[in-house]
Amino acid sequence: DTAVSQTPKYLVTQMGNDKSIKCEQNLGHDTMYWYKQDSKKFLKIMFSYNNKELIINETVPNRFSPKSPDKAHLNLHINSLELGDSAVYFCASSNYHTDTQYFGPGTRLTVL
Amino acid sequence: DAKTTQPTSMDCAEGRAANLPCNHSTISGNEYVYWYRQIHSQGPQYIIHGLKNNETNEMASLIITEDRKSSTLILPHATLRDTAVYYCIVGGNDYKLSFGAGTTVTVRA
Repeated sequence: DTAVSQTPKYLVTQMGNDKSIKCEQNLGHDTMYWYKQDSKKFLKIMFSYNNKELIINETVPNRFSPKSPDKAHLNLHINSLELGDSAVYFCASSNYHTDTQYFGPGTRLTVL
Repeated sequence: DAKTTQPTSMDCAEGRAANLPCNHSTISGNEYVYWYRQIHSQGPQYIIHGLKNNETNEMASLIITEDRKSSTLILPHATLRDTAVYYCIVGGNDYKLSFGAGTTVTVRA
């Protein structure tokens, strides 16, 4: 069974479009995250949710809006996509009060 | 922002131990040392973490110096599948993992 899953795995879209990436974890964790890995391969945290509440928002443009319908899901919606949004986006989850995070396989977003 | 310093790359022979150093001279008392790795095109994978004492699990051993300013990750018997980027991260309980550039480890047959 996949612990942290993301869909889609690949996403190719035009500038200006709106798209969503979905993440689900079956580990029973109460904290979920979104990270962005750019072309230089640096991984940077974007958001974190604990029990459906936003606890980290790392100066991400407001075109990015995370949504957590329940503890097991954290979706990322991106409005008005720009070329610079092209990257691999990773979802992760953990238990409260621990930094041991478990990552999904990533979604490679390409904006044309 | 990353608070660790790691070598950019290193090679290791298959079957031999791989020793990956990490400097974290500004680590504070309640911060843990975490190691993750990222195999090409996959999500980062947790390896091990520790606070003060040396730790060992099925994947690796973590040796932390007494002053906690540096540590070494040991892969006891490297295989080709251990080729990856290895990240040393220090963190407390603020949910944030700050990934640096890591060490690109290449295991050669």
